Amino acid sequence: QQQVKQSPQSLIVQKGGIPIINCAYENTAFDYFPWYQQFPGKGPALLIAIRPDVSEKKEGRFTISFNKSAKQFSLHIMDSQPGDSATYFCAARGVTGGGNKLTFGTGTQLKVEL
Amino acid sequence: NAGVMQNPRHLVRRRGQEARLRCSPMKGHSHVYWYRQLPEEGLKFMVYLQKENIIDESGMPKERFSAEFPKEGPSILRIQQVVRGDSAAYFCASSPQGLNNSPLHFGNGTRLTVT
Repeated sequence: QQQVKQSPQSLIVQKGGIPIINCAYENTAFDYFPWYQQFPGKGPALLIAIRPDVSEKKEGRFTISFNKSAKQFSLHIMDSQPGDSATYFCAARGVTGGGNKLTFGTGTQLKVEL
Repeated sequence: NAGVMQNPRHLVRRRGQEARLRCSPMKGHSHVYWYRQLPEEGLKFMVYLQKENIIDESGMPKERFSAEFPKEGPSILRIQQVVRGDSAAYFCASSPQGLNNSPLHFGNGTRLTVT
């Protein structure tokens, strides 16, 4: 059962564009929603995170929008650059299957073209 | 402060052999998580350990897979009698206090290829 659904699977934007990646979750007990960025051959690295009592969070060019009633959240990358080309994962924290852990979406491969 | 260290980076095993993947968490971190990554499937939780204890192994296959995190030394993910379907990237992550008040820090993974 996929508890965190992520879309699109891949995305191509021009430099300066604003890619948007969407995630939806089912478990209302999730209480923390991070986004991770992964470059080829590397492990995922925490990018930005939000808690459900906040509707938006900005850190530099990265913004999370959160809609608690719809159980959806999204990542926006302002003024995207070729260096932002990577795979992005949304995640949700909660107790599932016995322990408090992160459940990840399937990832979005972003390519930013010049 | 070194990050999460995983070794080997690449591991090739023939079907039926054993694979041992090692993870040294960040200094001061006593919580370790293992995830498996397959193309287009994202990161799948396998097991969560705290020093000498398995907290949650709900994502671990019932057979052939085991994990430990001894009092001294790295965490080990062990896969016995590997099959081609075990080919994947395996990531270890650590945190100082579980996930309640701290994020997960990932290593760069071990890429297992079963021939």
